[in-house]
Amino acid sequence: DTGVSQDPRHKITKRGQNVTFRCDPISEHNRLYWYRQTLGQGPEFLTYFQNEAQLEKSRLLSDRFSAERPKGSFSTLEIQRTEQGDSAMYLCASSLRLAGTQETQYFGPGTRLLVL
Amino acid sequence: GIQVEQSPPDLILQEGANSTLRCNFSDSVNNLQWFHQNPWGQLINLFYIPSGTKQNGRLSATTVATERYSLLYISSSQTTDSGVYFCAVDERAAAGNKLTFGGGTRVLVKP
Repeated sequence: DTGVSQDPRHKITKRGQNVTFRCDPISEHNRLYWYRQTLGQGPEFLTYFQNEAQLEKSRLLSDRFSAERPKGSFSTLEIQRTEQGDSAMYLCASSLRLAGTQETQYFGPGTRLLVL
Repeated sequence: GIQVEQSPPDLILQEGANSTLRCNFSDSVNNLQWFHQNPWGQLINLFYIPSGTKQNGRLSATTVATERYSLLYISSSQTTDSGVYFCAVDERAAAGNKLTFGGGTRVLVKP
């Protein structure tokens, strides 16, 4: 069990460019979550997947954001036409949801995005 | 949605001291987790504790679900305990576990 991994760890881009982040969850985890954390704040929920299905999206996820989880394994989060307000840490978490058991989320190291 | 408040917002400790961090939440919860975010940004699971008491080494946590609060105790603090401690909750039982985080308690342990 290698934990949740994210790539890249850091990304600097210019306003208007598109960026894509990748998250590899813990093997066998059926749920995958994306959160965003701005400086000095706690993480905020963006979206989550159960297997390959995207089941919920926050109002924070504008139409410039899109997330996928093909085949229910890794996930990608794409931001189109980045804005300076998109600068944040993007965190991925995964969990194993089984009926009748607790669901603990495990977080990856995050991707720090800076939009110039 | 559910509101989560943590106190104190900042805490400075001398190495070896004990401390208590508090998390208040506005509604019944199905999930409550405590995390430590290290200086590199990694969120590390400390406890899954929607109710009851748990202990792990120098850390322990108690959640009183009926009174809608949770406490995290740090005993004999060490410099490596520095960082931000977050409480996160989800009030939903069946749907996805969408964690709502508090604002965190920033802890600095001085040698």
